[in-house]
Amino acid sequence: EVQLVESGGGLVQPGGSLRLSCAASGFTFSSYWMSWVRQAPGKGLEWVANIKQDGSEKYYVDSVKGRFTISRDNAKNSLYLQMNSLRAEDTAVYYCATQYSSSSAAASWGQGTLVTVSS
Amino acid sequence: SYELTQPLSVSVALGQTARITCGGNNIGSKNVHWYQQKPGQAPVLVIYRDSNRPSGIPERFSGSNSGNTATLTISRAQAGDEADYYCQVWDSSTASGVFGGGTKLTVL
Repeated sequence: EVQLVESGGGLVQPGGSLRLSCAASGFTFSSYWMSWVRQAPGKGLEWVANIKQDGSEKYYVDSVKGRFTISRDNAKNSLYLQMNSLRAEDTAVYYCATQYSSSSAAASWGQGTLVTVSS
Repeated sequence: SYELTQPLSVSVALGQTARITCGGNNIGSKNVHWYQQKPGQAPVLVIYRDSNRPSGIPERFSGSNSGNTATLTISRAQAGDEADYYCQVWDSSTASGVFGGGTKLTVL
């Protein structure tokens, strides 16, 4: 059974940094693209970033380019999102999800971790 | 950037058919995916590549895509189908994923 467990969320001040992690199990992590999707409180879903199986391709939504970095460690079955220069509008639940390709559906999702950017 | 337009809400009588639309410029040329999200839960994929159901998703869920509109159809609607539904595509011109704004389905 596919299991994705996000961690690392919390309260951070504007301009601060946070690193999210997603621990994967129950499938061959290194065979899948992985994504981050976020959802602001009471709002809809927003795609954030995704990364190829070997980390050689990464894509980002414009609003986080230059501030967020997606990465992965296939040896540890883990996905990461380094978030710098955080803004109030980055406040959201962040989900990790599996993909077969960059453009495919997000097939399996974690339960999410809440990031709150506030002073 | 590419935009997807969904109605804010759709209502359907118990046992009837609900249709949720997703509008976008020439969306028929893209692969559309649909997700169901219930309050306090993570999204669940219900349709991928326009009309394909993942394992475990009831046959009552179907999808179509043509021209400027993709449609998620839920037949014989049940109370348990009440949820928010999101369409999603990959915008190759910007190399980014795009979600519609979401539609709240109410089963009366």
